[in-house]
Amino acid sequence: AQSVTQLDSQVPVFEEAPVELRCNYSSSVSVYLFWYVQYPNQGLQLLLKYLSGSTLVKGINGFEAEFNKSQTSFHLRKPSVHISDTAEYFCAVSESGGSYIPTFGRGTSLIVHP
Amino acid sequence: DAMVIQNPRYQVTQFGKPVTLSCSQTLNHNVMYWYQQKSSQAPKLLFHYYDKDFNNEADTPDNFQSRRPNTSFCFLDIRSPGLGDAAMYLCATSRDELAGRTDTQYFGPGTRLTVL
Repeated sequence: AQSVTQLDSQVPVFEEAPVELRCNYSSSVSVYLFWYVQYPNQGLQLLLKYLSGSTLVKGINGFEAEFNKSQTSFHLRKPSVHISDTAEYFCAVSESGGSYIPTFGRGTSLIVHP
Repeated sequence: DAMVIQNPRYQVTQFGKPVTLSCSQTLNHNVMYWYQQKSSQAPKLLFHYYDKDFNNEADTPDNFQSRRPNTSFCFLDIRSPGLGDAAMYLCATSRDELAGRTDTQYFGPGTRLTVL
């Protein structure tokens, strides 16, 4: 069975600064990886996903993530954040040859200060 | 636009009074999920339908039931809500094209349940 670790429960950052939200996973097989964003009182929205191919994945709102198989990581980055990026971010993993049910991390709250 | 719709967005019920939350989708996805999300926590999967097949998570209380009368609609019934059931309930869909393949999950906006 797969698992996901988001070590940072909260990441405060100033507007226009770069940010990295960390995600590590554990699985014995090939995986699919996802980052979702959740704004207050809303559902989750897909930011980006890695299924196969290029390890650098670009998503919406200027976010990108890099799949690192050797480090079992899928960290999310943005070079310059905006106030509107303040939200909860969830990393999720599913096994490509196994269950289609993803496992979610606990989430990281990104707080962007002016 | 194709989407996942949840009604109502906010639901207030009394302790022990049955409540039904609804979800509809225009994506024609074959998999539908119900999640419970409490404050500052990850969504917790309650159950899901793969086509018409119902799949219950082992730790989902019997108090929670679900119905999927057709591809587009799915309902969450809470038979006797307790104070601990107050949460955001999220419906999601996905399209599983091949056995073992996982596609993106599309989430509705959620229903926030308050239990008085």
